[in-house]
Amino acid sequence: KQEVTQIPAALSVPEGENLVLNCSFTDSAIYNLQWFRQDPGKGLTSLLLIQSSQREQTSGRLNASLDKSSGRSTLYIAASQPGDSATYLCRYSQGGSEKLVFGKGMKLTVNP
Amino acid sequence: NAGVTQTPKFQVLKTGQSMTLQCAQDMNHEYMSWYRQDPGMGLRLIHYSVGAGITDQGEVPNGYNVSRSTTEDFPLRLLSAAPSQTSVYFCASSYSPLAGEAFFGQGTRLTVV
Repeated sequence: KQEVTQIPAALSVPEGENLVLNCSFTDSAIYNLQWFRQDPGKGLTSLLLIQSSQREQTSGRLNASLDKSSGRSTLYIAASQPGDSATYLCRYSQGGSEKLVFGKGMKLTVNP
Repeated sequence: NAGVTQTPKFQVLKTGQSMTLQCAQDMNHEYMSWYRQDPGMGLRLIHYSVGAGITDQGEVPNGYNVSRSTTEDFPLRLLSAAPSQTSVYFCASSYSPLAGEAFFGQGTRLTVV
């Protein structure tokens, strides 16, 4: 069974820290991996999408990397701000399957 | 720039009632899916569709029906609501499950009493 793990489930940090969020998956036959943020009571907002042929993607203060051999993706947030407080989820798709697999998310709180 | 639109945003049902959650996208995406999100359970796939006329079951399909008569619309029907179906429901779409970026609606918060 395909599984995605995000550890820890919650993280609280002071403003300004550089953060690393982890996403681990069980199958290396990954097609792509996507990171989302979800604000309370809202839907999921796409942050970054990495295809299996890529090693990383960048958008502003966000950088996502993909290491298929170790079954891990990392979302790096530079100079965290209170506005970054949200739940961050990752999902991956596997070649040969039409089902997207989501992690349970990591709740981030950035304190002023 | 509508993206994925879900209606209604909130709904309260009595046990045994039926209803349809609406989902529409204007991006000409072939792949659409429905999820429910419950505390501690993450997102669980209910049903998905890879194109008009083609649907399939996900992880938790019992109690739900779907159909896909057009590319744009993918409604989710609750046949006889139960308290266990109290949840937040999300619809998502993408060009394909493999190659595309997935876009989500804002969700429908359903309470069954």
